[in-house]
Parts: sequence; C-alpha cells; structure tokens
Amino acid sequence: GENVEQHPSTLSVQEGDSAVIKCTYSDSASNYFPWYKQELGKRPQLIIDIRSNVGEKKDQRIAVTLNKTAKHFSLHITETQPEDSAVYFCAASYQGAQKLVFGQGTRLTINP
Amino acid sequence: KAGVTQTPRYLIKTRGQQVTLSCSPISGHRSVSWYQQTPGQGLQFLFEYFSETQRNKGNFPGRFSGRQFSNSRSEMNVSTLELGDSALYLCASSSDPGLAGVGEQYFGPGTRLTVT
Repeated sequence: GENVEQHPSTLSVQEGDSAVIKCTYSDSASNYFPWYKQELGKRPQLIIDIRSNVGEKKDQRIAVTLNKTAKHFSLHITETQPEDSAVYFCAASYQGAQKLVFGQGTRLTINP
Repeated sequence: KAGVTQTPRYLIKTRGQQVTLSCSPISGHRSVSWYQQTPGQGLQFLFEYFSETQRNKGNFPGRFSGRQFSNSRSEMNVSTLELGDSALYLCASSSDPGLAGVGEQYFGPGTRLTVT
C-alpha cells in the first residue's frame, strides 16, 4: 500500500534551536523523497529533496537523511529563525512514479 | 522563468454543478500533476499528465477527470459536485525526469473551490 506517516503533528522550538521532523514510508519502490514548506495561504514550496541512492543531503541550515532499510527519512533544521514557522510536508514517490504520497504535515512554530 | 499559474484562484459552485480548473506549467515542463488539499485528508494525488497522456492516477472517483493540451497546459474537471469536494486544488509541474526517474514538482498557487 501507499502510506507516509509524519511526526510530530505540531512542534514548537525556541529560536536558534534545532527542529527535527520524521517520516516513515511503506512502499519499497519509493525512490524520491521531497520536503515542502507551506506558509499560511501560500503554495507548498520545495525546500529540499533526496533520492534513494543518497543517505544525506544538506542545504545551508536544512538537511535531510534517508534510511532505506528502515524506510524512514527526516528533516533537520538548525539555528531556527521565526521565518521557519510554517507547515512542513514530507512525501515519497509511489512505485517510483511521478506520483507523490504526502505525510499529514507538521506545524512548526519558532518562538522568539 | 515564470512559475506555475492556476486559474481561477477562487470558485464558488453549487452541489450538482460541474467545474473546470486550469493550470499552466513552468515553460519547458511537460508533466503536470493535480492534488487535492483539505484539512482532514491533507494532500492527495489526483492524476498526472505527461505529453497529453494520463500517466498516473490516484484513488478518486470518475467524477474527477483531466486532460492536457499540446502546449502542456492542463485542465481538471469535476462533475456533479458534492459538498466534500470543497478543497484547495493544486497543480504541480515537473520537467522530464529522464534517468532520474521522478522529477522535482513545483506547485501553483491553487484554486480554492467551495461547494455550497
């Protein structure tokens, strides 16, 4: 089946601290794992992605790790800033196709 | 490059009516995917079109259909609208992924559909 579970559903951290969001997928054929940030009233924005032949990818303050054996991947945001406050969605490609299955989202709040 | 555009941005329809939404992908992108976003169900995949052909399909009833034109613009249609069809409908465009398998998807601003 196709299922992506995302935790936690809400996350509140102090500005400057790190935030970690975790996702688990069920489809063994998934080979592409993007993360999207959605601010209130705006479109989902692709912030980072990772493919199944890579274990970790970094882009400035954000990083994603992938554990194919355990079928889970995580988003790490370091030195959080107020503008990081948003809903974050993980996704996995279904059967390696151009079809994304999304997690339920994590509402991240950065407290000044 | 201009981003993904969708029209209209807001729509109010009555139960039983039908609606057509439009999506123009990023120039050069040939893949267009459609998603439904609701507070309860989150983001759910509807279908994907590539070179005017439906290539992937989600688990939505036949009332939801789509098509793609030769210029890669896509439309989705919902017939016999139900109250539960109220949602934000997002399209996403992607370049031909080639050997990469799955291309990066960039979303449009969405069409907010309200069914009364």
